[in-house]
Amino acid sequence: DGGITQSPKYLFRKEGQNVTLSCEQNLNHDAMYWYRQDPGQGLRLIYYSQIVNDFQKGDIAEGYSVSREKKESFPLTVTSAQKNPTAFYLCASNRLLAGTGELFFGEGSRLTVL
Amino acid sequence: DQQVKQNSPSLSVQEGRISILNCDYTNSMFDYFLWYKKYPAEGPTFLISISSIKDKNEDGRFTVFLNKSAKHLSLHIVPSQPGDSAVYFCAARGSQGNLIFGKGTKLSVKP
Repeated sequence: DGGITQSPKYLFRKEGQNVTLSCEQNLNHDAMYWYRQDPGQGLRLIYYSQIVNDFQKGDIAEGYSVSREKKESFPLTVTSAQKNPTAFYLCASNRLLAGTGELFFGEGSRLTVL
Repeated sequence: DQQVKQNSPSLSVQEGRISILNCDYTNSMFDYFLWYKKYPAEGPTFLISISSIKDKNEDGRFTVFLNKSAKHLSLHIVPSQPGDSAVYFCAARGSQGNLIFGKGTKLSVKP
C-alpha cells in the first residue's frame, strides 16, 4: 500500500545530542513537509521541499536541518541548537498544486528530550 | 500573524446532535480549504475540502460551508457520533501550494 512511513515512533534524546527522524513516501509525490505539533499550537511548518535537492524554511526552522537527496526521502535532523525539541513531529507529502493540495501525513514521531 | 484562525479550542456536543466547527482566514487568495481530523499520537487524516469558487461541499455526515465575503468557513457534522471525538484542523492552500493550518478545535461527543 502507498503511504508515508515515519520512524522511529518514539525517541528519547539527551540534551546536546542531535537526532534524525526518518520520513519515506512511496506515493510519488513531489513535495514533502515537516510539521511540529505542540499542545494548543496546531501544526507549525518546519521545512518543506518541492523538488529533489531543494528545500525551503518554514515558520520555525531554527535548530532544524533537512536534506532531500531522493524524491522518496526527507529526513529531519533536530540539532542541539533547538531550544525546546520535545514535541510530536509529523511528515507529510502531496502532489504540489494538483487538485486540492491535500496533504498525506505519516503517523508521527514523538521526541522527548531528557 | 495567523492567517487561519480557529477561535474555539474546544467544543462539546451530545451524540446525535449537530457539531459546528468554525474557521476564519485573512488571505482572500487562498484557493482551497481543507478539514483534517486528528486522534492523539496519530497523523491527521483528510476529511473534506472546498474550492474557493464554491460555497458548499457535502460528503455523508460532513458538510463544509464557505462564506467568502466573511472569510469564514464551517464544518458541520450531522449526526455527531462518539467516534468523531478528535481534534479538527482547518487548513488553507497558499500560493506556494503549502497548507496553512489553524490551531485546531478539540471536539468531544458525549454519549
